[in-house]
Amino acid sequence: DAGITQSPRHKVTETGTPVTLRCHQTENHRYMYWYRQDPGHGLRLIHYSYGVKDTDKGEVSDGYSVSRSKTEDFLLTLESATSSQTSVYFCARNRVDIGNGNQPQHFGDGTRLSIL
Amino acid sequence: RKEVEQDPGPFNVPEGATVAFNCTYSNSASQSFFWYRQDCRKEPKLLMSVYSSGNEDGRFTAQLNRASQYISLLIRDSKLSDSATYLCVVNTGQAGTALIFGKGTTLSVSS
Repeated sequence: DAGITQSPRHKVTETGTPVTLRCHQTENHRYMYWYRQDPGHGLRLIHYSYGVKDTDKGEVSDGYSVSRSKTEDFLLTLESATSSQTSVYFCARNRVDIGNGNQPQHFGDGTRLSIL
Repeated sequence: RKEVEQDPGPFNVPEGATVAFNCTYSNSASQSFFWYRQDCRKEPKLLMSVYSSGNEDGRFTAQLNRASQYISLLIRDSKLSDSATYLCVVNTGQAGTALIFGKGTTLSVSS
């Protein structure tokens, strides 16, 4: 158990609707990440957070926003979902709570999101 | 821009075989390297870190060649349970940012 859970695990929704995915950790680590994984692309970083209310963009942040009001929760929001955002979304935290990119990460189980 | 490249495979090997995967990375400032394993429809899980001097964990051996900017993973005595996708992962060298993942190499071990 990596101490990180995602909800929902599966979601099907329609284009244009807002969607929020939740990531919850039990370790109180500062660094948390949201990735998406698509065939042919591998894992790509959407946004990351380095503390409460401290977030930054990743490689594919357009169309996504995040919020971190508590250390344990990192939310990813699709304000108006599009079919191109159909993907598997993974949340992650640093394995050790050290603030640099040298740490491996633990991943949640993922959320399979389908936008019709 | 292909920062981390891997042969996608698939590598199809019989049980007991030795198989090796290579990975190249483009950022010479990269500092940390990892191999992850991902089973079908599951999350990636850390297999092992890769150290400059090379390191071994049971049947798995990882090597790093900084001069040529490549990383390798050797699996000896392959088991059916080794069937998975292996992700090469490199850090960007920039503080506070995340890891860069290769697209993965698929291994299928058959009896």
